[in-house]
Amino acid sequence: AIQMTQSPSSLSASVGDRVTITCRASQGIRNDLGWYQQKPGKAPKLLIYAASSLQSGVPSRFSGSGSGTDFTLTISSLQPEDFATYYCLQDYNYPQTFGQGTKVEIK
Amino acid sequence: QVTLRESGPALVKPTQTLTLTCTFSGFSLSTSGMCVSWIRQPPGKALEWLALIDWDDDKYYSTSLKTRLTISKDTSKNQVVLTMTNMDPVDTATYYCARIQGYSYGYDYWGQGTLVTVSS
Repeated sequence: AIQMTQSPSSLSASVGDRVTITCRASQGIRNDLGWYQQKPGKAPKLLIYAASSLQSGVPSRFSGSGSGTDFTLTISSLQPEDFATYYCLQDYNYPQTFGQGTKVEIK
Repeated sequence: QVTLRESGPALVKPTQTLTLTCTFSGFSLSTSGMCVSWIRQPPGKALEWLALIDWDDDKYYSTSLKTRLTISKDTSKNQVVLTMTNMDPVDTATYYCARIQGYSYGYDYWGQGTLVTVSS
């Protein structure tokens, strides 16, 4: 199975900060990667699909980039509602695999 | 609109078989490209992908859980069923079903999740 290594596992940031989360695949996955946001007690929410496509209704401060093995989720200006845990997921092949998550906390 | 809802027992005993049902609306699992997956999350831990069934009845499983999982669908009832045998306390988790419309489109709709506790 493809391993997805996410970093950092947690970070502290302030409102207005630019935040970057990375995900590395153990082998090439083209651009078959999504990013999800999860808040406590809630189901995950799709932010980005196909590495860089913004899901409908998601604010434009979220962006994704990368291809092959290295991917990045960027929040250009962190808002109070963005404090959550973020996961990457490769859907290049089966079994699909998630990263271990990045918790974004308030500084 | 698209909705998914998980149902099943909240408590199962060790060694028992868990059966979860995902009932959905707003789309058809007979539409080309459409897939439904099960994903779980132990308390305080990361998401774990379990299984997927597609419109053509192809099925895919987690490597580590493959021998314990069975996924099936009833297109007429708009349901996807997951069974997991030989339940253990480490299987305590919130279980989600989610929809994906083919490769690389992401899981755009999720159920609210159902917490399953494994305890004697």
